[in-house]
Amino acid sequence: KAGVTQTPRYLIKTRGQQVTLSCSPISGHRSVSWYQQTPGQGLQFLFEYFSETQRNKGNFPGRFSGRQFSNSRSEMNVSTLELGDSALYLCASSGTGTGNNGYTFGSGTRLTVV
Amino acid sequence: EDQVTQSPEALRLQEGESSSLNCSYTVSGLRGLFWYRQDPGKGPEFLFTLYSAGEEKEKERLKATLTKKESFLHITAPKPEDSATYLCAVQAVIQGAQKLVFGQGTRLTINP
Repeated sequence: KAGVTQTPRYLIKTRGQQVTLSCSPISGHRSVSWYQQTPGQGLQFLFEYFSETQRNKGNFPGRFSGRQFSNSRSEMNVSTLELGDSALYLCASSGTGTGNNGYTFGSGTRLTVV
Repeated sequence: EDQVTQSPEALRLQEGESSSLNCSYTVSGLRGLFWYRQDPGKGPEFLFTLYSAGEEKEKERLKATLTKKESFLHITAPKPEDSATYLCAVQAVIQGAQKLVFGQGTRLTINP
């Protein structure tokens, strides 16, 4: 079956702009989580959506937001981009929302802010 | 504060030289411990989930074990294709919500 699909794979934006990233989970999976990965901080949890509701949120500023649609696809938005937002953004899906069968990650979107 | 610490940060081995990676954690409400493998430019690939102390799981040359405070990923007779960053994560209940907390990873290089 198809894995987790993230688009676009690469993105270059200018400081101050906003960006929207997309994640399509494995068919049938209802939970989608977003993570930011940087060399200095590693993988950090952004938020999790389950059945169109934000269930958990990490310690990121309000510039980072997300949503989930009825087909479980999720989008993540970052407004007023800063240089420090340059990172690999990963999404992960799981079937039950508890990750008991392991969270499956996409290949990520590499965002570069210049 | 909930924390996951992996050691060593980097490990270089010769092909066939067995070793272990460590993941120690201090979290409350542990719901599971995960091991992932990540290749450059790709997302983490799921390897194992462990739930309780004493549990062990194996997959090819990899074996994961769990105690109350740490987990080990044992690599037996590794091959160059085992080179990757290995990530440990714990699923914890924090302020009533579940989330994955990741360690910084161990960058493993296997020389032929």
